[in-house]
Amino acid sequence: GENVEQHPSTLSVQEGDSAVIKCTYSDSASNYFPWYKQELGKGPQLIIDIRSNVGEKKDQRIAVTLNKTAKHFSLHITETQPEDSAVYFCAVLRNTDKLIFGTGTRLQVFP
Amino acid sequence: DAGVIQSPRHEVTEMGQEVTLRCKPISGHDYLFWYRQTMMRGLELLIYFNNNVPIDDSGMPEDRFSAKMPNASFSTLKIQPSEPRDSAVYFCASSRDSDTQYFGPGTRLTVL
Repeated sequence: GENVEQHPSTLSVQEGDSAVIKCTYSDSASNYFPWYKQELGKGPQLIIDIRSNVGEKKDQRIAVTLNKTAKHFSLHITETQPEDSAVYFCAVLRNTDKLIFGTGTRLQVFP
Repeated sequence: DAGVIQSPRHEVTEMGQEVTLRCKPISGHDYLFWYRQTMMRGLELLIYFNNNVPIDDSGMPEDRFSAKMPNASFSTLKIQPSEPRDSAVYFCASSRDSDTQYFGPGTRLTVL
């Protein structure tokens, strides 16, 4: 089955700096890669996603890059703000199978 | 759009009691998912439905867990009898096309 590894498990940055979280997966047939943000006491919220026919996608301060050959994808947050502090999860989907989630990254942005 | 609605938000019960968690998906979404989140195991898919039909229940821990979706706007997850190891946050999510999933706020279950 699919195996998703997420690194780092914790990440601390200064406000205004960039943050990068990386996920690797094992199944080359995987074709959908979403990122979720989970704040304390809330459910995961989809923040950006990418499909296998695209190498990069941006939405304001957030971007996701996908390297299908190496089977990894990354979340990039620029100009971080304290409200970006949360747990971030990557996930992988193969065709219409189920989403497999990474183990999460706790991001702390210090003012 | 109200988003996915779950109730109750918190549930505290004693071991052996029956617990029922409820979910209302986003209108027009054909897929509904039940997840469990714990520190040890992360986010685990328990079961999902497509057009009210259970498609994959391989994540359901054991026979004590059951889920139903009697119509397109309502689903329940039942645990009977509950055990302390069932303590977790249970999320419901819905999707129009099985990939882009929207999560509810979750139900925090504590079994004493």
